This record gives sequence, C-alpha cells and structure tokens, in this order.
Amino acid sequence: QVQLQESGPGLVKPSQTLSLTCTVSGGSITSGGYYWGWIRQHPGKGLEWIGYIFYSGSTFYNPSLKSRVTISQDTSKNHFSLKLSSMTAADTAVYYCARRNPREGYFDYWGQGTRVTVSS
Amino acid sequence: DIQMTQSPSTLSASVGDRVIITCRASQSFNTWLAWYQQKPGKAPKLLISKTSSLQSGVPSRFSGSGSGTEFTLTISNLQPDDFASYYCQQYKSYPYTFGQGTKLESK
Repeated sequence: QVQLQESGPGLVKPSQTLSLTCTVSGGSITSGGYYWGWIRQHPGKGLEWIGYIFYSGSTFYNPSLKSRVTISQDTSKNHFSLKLSSMTAADTAVYYCARRNPREGYFDYWGQGTRVTVSS
Repeated sequence: DIQMTQSPSTLSASVGDRVIITCRASQSFNTWLAWYQQKPGKAPKLLISKTSSLQSGVPSRFSGSGSGTEFTLTISNLQPDDFASYYCQQYKSYPYTFGQGTKLESK
C-alpha cells in the first residue's frame, strides 16, 4: 500500500520560498510510470492542481503558478519536493502531495496534507 | 482552462435518499473526469475515474455518468458515512481543474 507524507514548515513569511517534501513509502517513485504531484486547497475552498513530476524528471506545472513553482525529486530518498517562491497571503492553504495514474490524470493516493500559513 | 462548475454547492439529504451531484464543464470532452470524496480535515479520496469507473473498494451505491459538458455523480441509498464534500476533476487538458465542491449534509 503506497503512502505519502508531506513535511515542511507550517508558517512562512511573505516573500519567502515555501519548501515542502513528500516522502513515499510502499513503492518506489521511479517505478510504475507514475507521476508525483502537488495540489493545494485554500481555506474553505476547492482544490487547485499545482503540478507534478514524472519519474524521468519531466515536470508539468499549472500556468498560473509556473513562474514560482519548482518540483524536483530525490530518488535516493524516495521523495519529491515542492518549492513555491514569493509567497503571499494568497498562498495560505493546505498542501497535498498525491500520485497520478500513469495513463490517466486522476490522483489515486494522497498524503494527509500540511497546512501552510503565510504571515509575518 | 476548462472551468468546472458543480451544483448544488450544498445538498441536504437523509439516509436512504438518492442524490445527484452535477459537474458542468466550460468545454466539451468525453470520459476524462474523476470524482473525489473529502471529509473534514482529511485528504480527498478517489471514488470514480474516467467518468464511470468505480475504484476498488468504493461501494456500488456510487455511480458516475455523463459526457460532453455535463457529468453526474449519483449516490443511491445514502449512508451516514456518505455525508462529506464531493469534487469533480477534469483531466482532459492542462491545467487540471476541479469543481468548487458540493457539501452533502444531513437533513
């Protein structure tokens, strides 16, 4: 059973860069042809796809965030990471990591989510 | 971007009811739609992919249908565990987009 677990700071100051890591257990991020991604949920709101990385290292980002987002992976640690720069209060949200199916773009396994607040 | 609009935003129902949640897309597409269930403080859980493919372990009272710009999630014989929020997601094209959610509450 694949499990994903987010880690990172719960509080970020405005203009700083958010760094989150998603550690995957129960399977390798380099096998199966899966994509590994990030999705966020603003307080009381819907879900927003941020982007994902393929095991080959190819990345796909939401154009609305592309200029500020970097997703990377560390295969030796079986984890992948999100960096979101120039944080503002509008980036306050719960951030989820999730696994995307190899052939279709739905997300079948999710982390529990980590709440990030942007405040000075 | 394909905008996904769910209705209703809130739905009040009772155990045993049959409920239908609708997701309308700003552009037409076939099949590439998923449905998720989310409970407070928890991550979304995948219920249905490719419009109507029920995920393993998901009760058969959940079903999905639709095409073009209108898709539906139907829950038959509503159970207490089904009171939650539901989201649709299109994966026809980038960026993937979600509906704003439907909160199913107990009447």
